[in-house]
Amino acid sequence: EVQLVESGGVVVQPGGSLRLSCAASGFDFDDHTMHWVRQGPGKGLEWVSLINWDGSSTYYADSVKGRFTISRDNNKKSLYLQMNSLGTDDTALYYCTKDGLLGFHLDVWGQGTTVIVSS
Amino acid sequence: QSALTQPPSASASPGQSVTISCTGASSDVGAYNYVSWYQQHPGKAPKLMIYEVNKRPSGVPDRFSGSKSGNTASLTVSGLQPEDEADYYCFSFADNHNYVFGTGTKVTIL
Repeated sequence: EVQLVESGGVVVQPGGSLRLSCAASGFDFDDHTMHWVRQGPGKGLEWVSLINWDGSSTYYADSVKGRFTISRDNNKKSLYLQMNSLGTDDTALYYCTKDGLLGFHLDVWGQGTTVIVSS
Repeated sequence: QSALTQPPSASASPGQSVTISCTGASSDVGAYNYVSWYQQHPGKAPKLMIYEVNKRPSGVPDRFSGSKSGNTASLTVSGLQPEDEADYYCFSFADNHNYVFGTGTKVTIL
């Protein structure tokens, strides 16, 4: 079974840092681009970042550029999101998602991990 | 990158059809045939329903169909079932390797 399991979400103070993780199973992890998508409380979906299969290319939404860093470890079948300089607007449920084999859509989603930025 | 524009809500009776629009720009929806649609039930993760404008993943009923004209993509759900009541989001590849979601549409079965 194809599965993505996120972890690392906690309550953090404004200005703080956090690292999210996503463990993948049931598919060839190193064949796929991976994404992070977030959803604020009561809000819509927002694309955050992507990393290509070998980590050589990364892209970010303007709202997180310069603060967040996406990375992956193909040996561990894991995806990461390092989040720095967190603000209250970063409060959200963060989903790890898998790109379809030919790309450009998100065919598998995890259940998400919750990040709350609050003093 | 601005969010794609969707109507906040849409509704129809069981068995009828509903069409949701997703309006973008020449830098995203209009430029690429990489529009996908996601269904999200309350408290659940989104589920892929349509990809590359009009392709259905295995297991998605053929009641769901997609199309695109210019800068606007559309999702049509025919023969509405109670389980189709959910939020729906469009998603498009955009210039400079960006991606953008739509604002979301809540579909209600009357």
